[in-house]
Amino acid sequence: SQTIHQWPATLVQPVGSPLSLECTVEGTSNPNLYWYRQAAGRGLQLLFYSVGIGQISSEVPQNLSASRPQDRQFILSSKKLLLSDSGFYLCAWGYGTSEKLFFGSGTQLSVL
Amino acid sequence: DQQVKQNSPSLSVQEGRISILNCDYTNSMFDYFLWYKKYPAEGPTFLISISSIKDKNEDGRFTVFLNKSAKHLSLHIVPSQPGDSAVYFCAARAYGGSQGNLIFGKGTKLSVKP
Repeated sequence: SQTIHQWPATLVQPVGSPLSLECTVEGTSNPNLYWYRQAAGRGLQLLFYSVGIGQISSEVPQNLSASRPQDRQFILSSKKLLLSDSGFYLCAWGYGTSEKLFFGSGTQLSVL
Repeated sequence: DQQVKQNSPSLSVQEGRISILNCDYTNSMFDYFLWYKKYPAEGPTFLISISSIKDKNEDGRFTVFLNKSAKHLSLHIVPSQPGDSAVYFCAARAYGGSQGNLIFGKGTKLSVKP
């Protein structure tokens, strides 16, 4: 069966510090991978998606970036965090043209 | 501009009764609609989906109804159980859009009381 791992579960970072969140998927190959963010009181917003190694599409302009160095690994990064980057970050995977996405357990990021 | 709207931030229901969660959308190009359930500090869990060519899909206690003319869908949970207490997100996918580009509503917090 397929599983998705996301870490860390919580993170407190000062403004201006770098960020690296990692996500890996097991039990499937060539998944579509996604980063979503849920800000306080808001729905889930798509940040990045990837259909293959090295292929990244950005949905929202911001100071975040994403990379996919391996088939089942997706990384969310920032060189300098802003207060507005605080939120609940979720990695997700999907397959083919299926409408379903499967989410990881999320990372609660607090930028202070 | 919100393309997917969940106008009720919360809903309280008695155990055993029906829970009805509502969702409205504005984009006629959506080809699939989905419902996710989310517990605090966890990722959303897929519940049920419906294609835009259908008007009903049922899975156990969960039924989703789609009214395309009204651009409205609803999730019915019958009977409601205390374990159903969670935040429910409505989501929609635009036909031909980027894979998995689901657009989510803000969620409705369901409380099922024993």
